[in-house]
Amino acid sequence: GNSVTQMEGPVTLSEEAFLTINCTYTATGYPSLFWYVQYPGEGLQLLLKATKADDKGSNKGFEATYRKETTSFHLEKGSVQVSDSAVYFCALTPNQAGTALIFGKGTTLSVSS
Amino acid sequence: GAVVSQHPSRVICKSGTSVKIECRSLDFQATTMFWYRQFPKQSLMLMATSNEGSKATYEQGVEKDKFLINHASLTLSTLTVTSAHPEDSSFYICSARVGDRDGYTFGSGTRLTVV
Repeated sequence: GNSVTQMEGPVTLSEEAFLTINCTYTATGYPSLFWYVQYPGEGLQLLLKATKADDKGSNKGFEATYRKETTSFHLEKGSVQVSDSAVYFCALTPNQAGTALIFGKGTTLSVSS
Repeated sequence: GAVVSQHPSRVICKSGTSVKIECRSLDFQATTMFWYRQFPKQSLMLMATSNEGSKATYEQGVEKDKFLINHASLTLSTLTVTSAHPEDSSFYICSARVGDRDGYTFGSGTRLTVV
């Protein structure tokens, strides 16, 4: 079946530190991969996505590369800010008609100044 | 961009009553909507897939008689929590697939508290 596994949190960093949140997936076919962010008390926002192998998604300084050989889509940011504190979800869609996103468990990031 | 409007954002109800949550697609037609439930500090668990004009498809373990889903039009899907109990308290989020194969949009969520 299809599933997403992401690193357990919480992740606590100081401002300007380097961030990596690991995400691996299991899927049949050719899934699209996503990172979503949820700020406290808010809904989900798409952070970035990649639709095929070797694609790199990027947004707001965050990057993730679709690695088919390692079935991974790790999220990285070179220098985090306090405002990046949120819960980050890795997700995939199998790209079959009518299918929902499948989410990882989420990783809480806390950045202190 | 495609927007899904979800209401109410917060609701408190008494045990035994029913609560309806609405999700409307504002600028597009959503033939399929998805309903998720999120427990505190946990991931989003897919509850059901709502298809316009047909019965919803529920995930294993979700009580279809308790969580009634109606998708009567291309712009409106509703989730009704019937005979609510405190354990139904949660954050409920709807989502719709938009346009191409990898576009999804989410409602802002509904915080349900059953007292």
